[in-house]
Parts: sequence; C-alpha cells; structure tokens
Amino acid sequence: GENVEQHPSTLSVQEGDSAVIKCTYSDSASNYFPWYKQELGKGPQLIIDIRSNVGEKKDQRIAVTLNKTAKHFSLHITETQPEDSAVYFCAAHDGNEKLTFGTGTRLTIIP
Amino acid sequence: DAGVIQSPRHEVTEMGQEVTLRCKPISGHNSLFWYRQTMMRGLELLIYFNNNVPIDDSGMPEDRFSAKMPNASFSTLKIQPSEPRDSAVYFCASSLTPAGATGELFFGEGSRLTVL
Repeated sequence: GENVEQHPSTLSVQEGDSAVIKCTYSDSASNYFPWYKQELGKGPQLIIDIRSNVGEKKDQRIAVTLNKTAKHFSLHITETQPEDSAVYFCAAHDGNEKLTFGTGTRLTIIP
Repeated sequence: DAGVIQSPRHEVTEMGQEVTLRCKPISGHNSLFWYRQTMMRGLELLIYFNNNVPIDDSGMPEDRFSAKMPNASFSTLKIQPSEPRDSAVYFCASSLTPAGATGELFFGEGSRLTVL
C-alpha cells in the first residue's frame, strides 16, 4: 500500500517568515494530494489540494508543489501569522481509493 | 449546515467495558469514514462506507471493533471489550464523492477515548 512520509515533525518560525513542510509518497499510482490543517481540539480541515496533472497550486499565502518524478510534494506558507499555528497533515490518494495521511507537522509561529 | 457531529466528545471507561461512538454525517454526503488518531500512528483509516454499505474495513484493528451505518444520517463505532491500547481520538468524516477519493473530507471534532 501507499506510504507517506512527512518532515519535519515540528517546525517553529518567526511571524512573517515562510514555512515549508515536505512529504514523499511511495505509490506512483497516487494522483491526488490534499493538505489538512488541524487546530487544537478540532478535526482536520482541508486547506489546499493538488492533482497529479499540475505541478503547483497557490491560494493566497498557501502554495503546494508536486514533483511526480521524485514522488514528493510540499506545502509552502508565506508571511506566516499566529493563526497558522496548528498541526498540518499531507495525504496521498492511491489507486486503491484510499487516502493515506502523513504523520503530521506541528507548526508554531513565534510572535 | 451543522457539519459532521460526533458524540460523545470525551469518554473515560474501564478496561473490558463496551464503548459506542456515534456520528451524524453532513446531509447529502455519500461516504462516511472512521479514523483513529494517536501520537504513535497518526491518522489511521479504520473503515469507510459508501451509500451506507461498508466498502473496506481492512483498517479495523481486530474483532473487538465493529461499525454500522443503519441509515444515511447515522453511524456507530463500537469497541467491545475495550482495552487501554484503544485510547485515542476517533474521528468521523464524510464526503460527497465515493470513498472521498479526490474530494474533500469533512471531519467531526472527534471523540477522545480513554480506557483505564
């Protein structure tokens, strides 16, 4: 089955700086890569996703890049703000119709 | 819309007791998922339903776990008997698309289970 690895597990950045979270996947048949944000005491919430037919997608301060050849994808958050502090999960949807999540990155924005 | 509703939010029980977690998906969503979240294993898919029919339960840890979806607006996850290693946060999620394939999963706020 699919295996998704996510790094780093924790990340602290100064407010206003950029944050980058990286994921790799194992199944070349995977074709959909969402990112979820989980705030304390809440369930994960989709923030952005990318499909295998594009290399980059941007939504305001958030962008995701995908390298199918290398089987890795990344989340980029620019101009970070305190409300960006949360746990972020990447995921990959494989050919068996399962969404496999990474282990999560705890992002802390330092005011 | 009220979103996915889970109950109870917190459950503390003793080893050997039966635990029932409940979920009401978003109205009109065709697929429902049960996930378990722990520090060690992250988010694990336990089982998912499409149009109330269980499609894949390969993630269910063992026979002590069972899930049902008697109608489109209600699902339960039952653990009997419970063990301390079952302590985790259990999430229910629903989706418009079959198996949540390439569409958004909407998660509830979770049920935190502690088995003493």
